[in-house]
Amino acid sequence: DGGITQSPKYLFRKEGQNVTLSCEQNLNHDAMYWYRQDPGQGLRLIYYSQIVNDFQKGDIAEGYSVSREKKESFPLTVTSAQKNPTAFYLCASSILASIHNEQFFGPGTRLTVL
Amino acid sequence: AQKITQTQPGMFVQEKEAVTLDCTYDTSDPSYGLFWYKQPSSGEMIFLIYQGSYDQQNATEGRYSLNFQKARKSANLVISASQLGDSAMYFCAMVDSGGYNKLIFGAGTRLAVHP
Repeated sequence: DGGITQSPKYLFRKEGQNVTLSCEQNLNHDAMYWYRQDPGQGLRLIYYSQIVNDFQKGDIAEGYSVSREKKESFPLTVTSAQKNPTAFYLCASSILASIHNEQFFGPGTRLTVL
Repeated sequence: AQKITQTQPGMFVQEKEAVTLDCTYDTSDPSYGLFWYKQPSSGEMIFLIYQGSYDQQNATEGRYSLNFQKARKSANLVISASQLGDSAMYFCAMVDSGGYNKLIFGAGTRLAVHP
């Protein structure tokens, strides 16, 4: 079945550690996105990528990094520079980055800093 | 700047009844798209329905329909024959045409379906 997978579902990080969240899609979508959701709030864009080997910062990119070496994969690294990383992270993809194309989401990763 | 407003923090409905979730939007672009997403307690955002600004007819997808009133800038979601599994947060959204292609979400409406 086509879809977006994210792993792990739950992730615990110690202070000062870098962690990488996985996002894979087999929908043949060109555009991929990373959002952060805090409790009781909406989604905020961290990074997005429209094509392989290219990505752009979103509204809250500080303390995060991404790569897009393959069309199917868009991993997100939460670095030690991110001061408050505890949140729910959602990866999404769309056929093309367009105002008319829906974004499909993965199941999310819940990150907790210990 | 574009904005989505959902004024109903919470709604409840009896099973098998219909319910309308309100959404108003603000944009100066002539071309835009409106989306509704469902977020159950598991957290995944599930795409429900899309309405394009130039679409002549209201969008429908199974039990979901969109009451699109362009002049009023409203795009209300109608869920017919509610089921217990419809209990979730519902978000109205549009893509930010000003850059990033990010989704702009409303605050959401929590729907509870009672048996």
